[in-house]
Amino acid sequence: QVQLVQSGAEVKKPGASVKVSCKASGDTFTSYYMHWVRQAPGQGLEWMGRVNPSGGGTSYSQKLQGRVTVTRDTSTSTVYMELSSLTSDDTAVYYCAKAPPDLYYMDVWGKGTTVTVSS
Amino acid sequence: DIVMTQSPDSLAVSLGERATINCKSSQSVLYSSNSKNYLAWYQQKPGQPPKLLIYWASTREPGVPDRFSGSGSGTDFTLTISSLQAEDVALYYCQQYYMTPPTFGQGTKVEI
Repeated sequence: QVQLVQSGAEVKKPGASVKVSCKASGDTFTSYYMHWVRQAPGQGLEWMGRVNPSGGGTSYSQKLQGRVTVTRDTSTSTVYMELSSLTSDDTAVYYCAKAPPDLYYMDVWGKGTTVTVSS
Repeated sequence: DIVMTQSPDSLAVSLGERATINCKSSQSVLYSSNSKNYLAWYQQKPGQPPKLLIYWASTREPGVPDRFSGSGSGTDFTLTISSLQAEDVALYYCQQYYMTPPTFGQGTKVEI
């Protein structure tokens, strides 16, 4: 069973960038896709983007296009999500999650990384 | 984007009774070429990530108790908990993955 371990909580100032990592173990890293989903306090779930660890191809939410970048490092089985030009609206828990290839339902989730944007 | 609307927003059910959550999509999520509905259900408990319960609208994820079942097709779907247990108190979300971006319902809170 795949396990996803995310990096620790972050506090950032408005206008800054944040980079969150997610290390996978327990299965072949290139056999599934990796997604990022965020959840603002007391709110629902918002899909941000995904990466194909095998080829590196990405897909992003149009709402966040230009501000979000998802990358992967196959040598360490780690995916990264970088979000730039942060505002208070980006305060949320950020989850990485794996999905079957070419599908967008997520069957294993990381525990989440809290990102707080505050001046 | 496909809008997912769940009802009710919250419901209280007695232990051992049935809980029913509805989910409606703004357009069909049934892919005609394979006759599959691109609809998933998740359970989220406080302080935890979502947990996949159901995909393809009615396929239970391995390890999910069989009291959880999914049904529906096209634009209207239902998650049923046949006999509510204390550990089922949670938020439940539906999600379509028919079209990018995948979108979630607003969530339904299930209480005892």
